[in-house]
Amino acid sequence: AQSVTQLGSHVSVSEGALVLLRCNYSSSVPPYLFWYVQYPNQGLQLLLKYTTGATLVKGINGFEAEFKKSETSFHLTKPSAHMSDAAEYFCAVSDPSNDYKLSFGAGTTVTVRA
Amino acid sequence: GAGVSQSPRYKVTKRGQDVALRCDPISGHVSLYWYRQALGQGPEFLTYFNYEAQQDKSGLPNDRFSAERPEGSISTLTIQRTEQRDSAMYRCASKLAGAYNEQFFGPGTRLTVL
Repeated sequence: AQSVTQLGSHVSVSEGALVLLRCNYSSSVPPYLFWYVQYPNQGLQLLLKYTTGATLVKGINGFEAEFKKSETSFHLTKPSAHMSDAAEYFCAVSDPSNDYKLSFGAGTTVTVRA
Repeated sequence: GAGVSQSPRYKVTKRGQDVALRCDPISGHVSLYWYRQALGQGPEFLTYFNYEAQQDKSGLPNDRFSAERPEGSISTLTIQRTEQRDSAMYRCASKLAGAYNEQFFGPGTRLTVL
């Protein structure tokens, strides 16, 4: 079984400040890991993913995440927040041996202060 | 269209009525997934298809829920005798065959049962 925990349901940052969203997972097998973003009235959009290989992955819009197996974490960062980053962010894990079904965290809503 | 489409985008129904939610995946995508997202939560897996075959329906909450994908393209999720607890966002995603491909999500159908 897999589960995802996102620490903090709401995060507020100043424009230009670091964005850090935390994600921890549990999985009995090496997982695939994803971050999705949801803008109002839109579908979930993939920001980045980790499957194999390099543990630091870069995504769209300047976001990146690092897979740390020892910490079972996949935290999402962006060095400098922009107003357009205001959205809801979901961390998800899939089990490659179980048809790639996604298990999602509860989500973190990011607000950006001018 | 280029993305996953879902219809209707919003559905309001009375308790006891049946509803049918439609998902039109990206052309050529083999796998199709249904998720349900309650307010303030991440999406939860319901069921998925490879081509027209329903591979896993372990997430369907009870026998009032069913899904089909008869020609391996469009899928319909049907909820019979709706109850207020069925109110949620219903999300569809599609995916190419292959281990490293991600799921692409549609905009969702917001179901409200009065």
